[in-house]
Amino acid sequence: IAGITQAPTSQILAAGRRMTLRCTQDMRHNAMYWYRQDLGLGLRLIHYSNTAGTTGKGEVPDGYSVSRANTDDFPLTLASAVPSQTSVYFCASSNNGNSPLHFGNGTRLTVT
Amino acid sequence: EDQVTQSPEALRLQEGESSSLNCSYTVSGLRGLFWYRQDPGKGPEFLFTLYSAGEEKEKERLKATLTKKESFLHITAPKPEDSATYLCAVQERDDFNKFYFGSGTKLNVKP
Repeated sequence: IAGITQAPTSQILAAGRRMTLRCTQDMRHNAMYWYRQDLGLGLRLIHYSNTAGTTGKGEVPDGYSVSRANTDDFPLTLASAVPSQTSVYFCASSNNGNSPLHFGNGTRLTVT
Repeated sequence: EDQVTQSPEALRLQEGESSSLNCSYTVSGLRGLFWYRQDPGKGPEFLFTLYSAGEEKEKERLKATLTKKESFLHITAPKPEDSATYLCAVQERDDFNKFYFGSGTKLNVKP
């Protein structure tokens, strides 16, 4: 079934540790996105990529980095996790503005 | 500043009791307005895209409408399986990477 796969499903992480959230899509979409979802705040964009080799900053990029080595993969890295990064993280993709966002099922991250 | 406000935050309905969810938006230029359904522990699932005022889309018991300042998601004769959180998002016309999401309406339909 075509779609977006995220891993891990959930993770508890000690503050100060490094963590990479994985995202893979098989729809051949050009654009990929990372959002975080916090209660009462809605989904907020962290970083995005319109094509392999390019990335851009979203609304809340601090403390996060991304890379886009190929069309299918878009990992999100927390270099040194802090408790305020406790959230549910969703990866999404689209056909560069010509289609709605398609989402994975998220990674629930708790930073202690 | 672009923003999206959804109301109510939560809605409890009896099975068969029709109602509407509201999404008010402020955006510099609208490329599209999207409705999503989100079940607990899952990612948002796409329902509808609306592009211009006056447009309507329907799917089973759901109908979405759009004006220049707001969108409504009408739910006719809901069933318990319609229980979910419904999210609204707007996409900027001049930057297709910019989607602004509301915080959602949590719908609970009791049998």
